[in-house]
Amino acid sequence: GENVEQHPSTLSVQEGDSAVIKCTYSDSASNYFPWYKQELGKRPQLIIDIRSNVGEKKDQRIAVTLNKTAKHFSLHITETQPEDSAVYFCAASPKWTGGFKTIFGAGTRLFVKA
Amino acid sequence: DAGITQSPRHKVTETGTPVTLRCHQTENHRYMYWYRQDPGHGLRLIHYSYGVKDTDKGEVSDGYSVSRSKTEDFLLTLESATSSQTSVYFCAISESRGTEQFFGPGTRLTVL
Repeated sequence: GENVEQHPSTLSVQEGDSAVIKCTYSDSASNYFPWYKQELGKRPQLIIDIRSNVGEKKDQRIAVTLNKTAKHFSLHITETQPEDSAVYFCAASPKWTGGFKTIFGAGTRLFVKA
Repeated sequence: DAGITQSPRHKVTETGTPVTLRCHQTENHRYMYWYRQDPGHGLRLIHYSYGVKDTDKGEVSDGYSVSRSKTEDFLLTLESATSSQTSVYFCAISESRGTEQFFGPGTRLTVL
């Protein structure tokens, strides 16, 4: 089955700097890769997603890149702000599950220091 | 937030007792999911539903059962709770397969 590994587990950056979180997946047939943000005590919420037919996607200060050959994808946050502090989860949805199953990484706790 | 509620929001129970958690949605989404969240493990899928009375197992289904008798309600039952089932449980819904999932507020369950 699919396995998603996420690094680093903790990331601390200075306000204004960039943050990069990386994930690898094992099932080459996975075709949907969402990223969720979870603030302390809150529910996870989608911040960006990418499909396997696209290499990069941007939305204001966040971007996701996908390398299908290497089976890894990354989240990039530029000009970080204190409100970006949260736990971020990457995920992959294997095609063989028909999109029913989303496998999540273990999460990255991002601290943005003011 | 999408119209998803979970009840109860907090529960403390004893080992061996049955527990039922409820997820209710007002979005009329076909797909519903139950996850558990534990430190170091992210979110792990317990069971999911692709329609009324249509359910299937996820990654960590042992010790859990589900039922969906109406589009809006998805119940998760722990037949005989164990301490290893102490966790935060999230319900999620999606309009289609392989698309954004909207999560409920979560239920914190403690099994003593």
